[in-house]
Amino acid sequence: DTEVTQTPKHLVMGMTNKKSLKCEQHMGHRAMYWYKQKAKKPPELMFVYSYEKLSINESVPSRFSPECPNSSLLNLHLHALQPEDSALYLCASSQDPGRGANNSPLHFGNGTRLTVT
Amino acid sequence: QKEVEQNSGPLSVPEGAIASLNCTYSDRGSQSFFWYRQYSGKSPELIMFIYSNGDKEDGRFTAQLNKASQYVSLLIRDSQPSDSATYLCAVANAGNMLTFGGGTRLMVKP
Repeated sequence: DTEVTQTPKHLVMGMTNKKSLKCEQHMGHRAMYWYKQKAKKPPELMFVYSYEKLSINESVPSRFSPECPNSSLLNLHLHALQPEDSALYLCASSQDPGRGANNSPLHFGNGTRLTVT
Repeated sequence: QKEVEQNSGPLSVPEGAIASLNCTYSDRGSQSFFWYRQYSGKSPELIMFIYSNGDKEDGRFTAQLNKASQYVSLLIRDSQPSDSATYLCAVANAGNMLTFGGGTRLMVKP
């Protein structure tokens, strides 16, 4: 079992729905990440939060809206998604956002399997 | 364009053999190197990380890094059927942004 907890495990939503994905870690990590993974492809970075502030947005469409309420929680708000947004959404955390060398590893949650109908 | 390349496989090895997984990367400024294991339908699980040239061993796993050749590898000794999975090589820059390779699918046959 991972120390990064994601809910829900599965989500089916229509294109007009609004839903949220949640992620929680209690390892004291100061960097948190959202990745998207399509079948048979590697994870693709979406957002990075460093010390609770958004530091990287990889040109993600505005229908995905991240939020970091505190150092342990990370949300991803979803609105007006398209069927092609169906994927495994992975949350990850690392001890720090990068030190120039010897970067701390990312630890992934179990993911949310999202299906947009 | 930062690239991380892996042979997609499948790499098939018999049970008990050594599995050798390879990865090359294009960014000479890369600082940290990670191997993740991913079972079908599951999330990536950290297996090894390595920062310096040379070998790093942890149980049945050995990571090898050669920065001059921009090459990192993972050896799995005494391969077991439970090792059958996709292995993702990931390379981080100074900001700890990971670039993943496409993954190598390993099949260990009993």
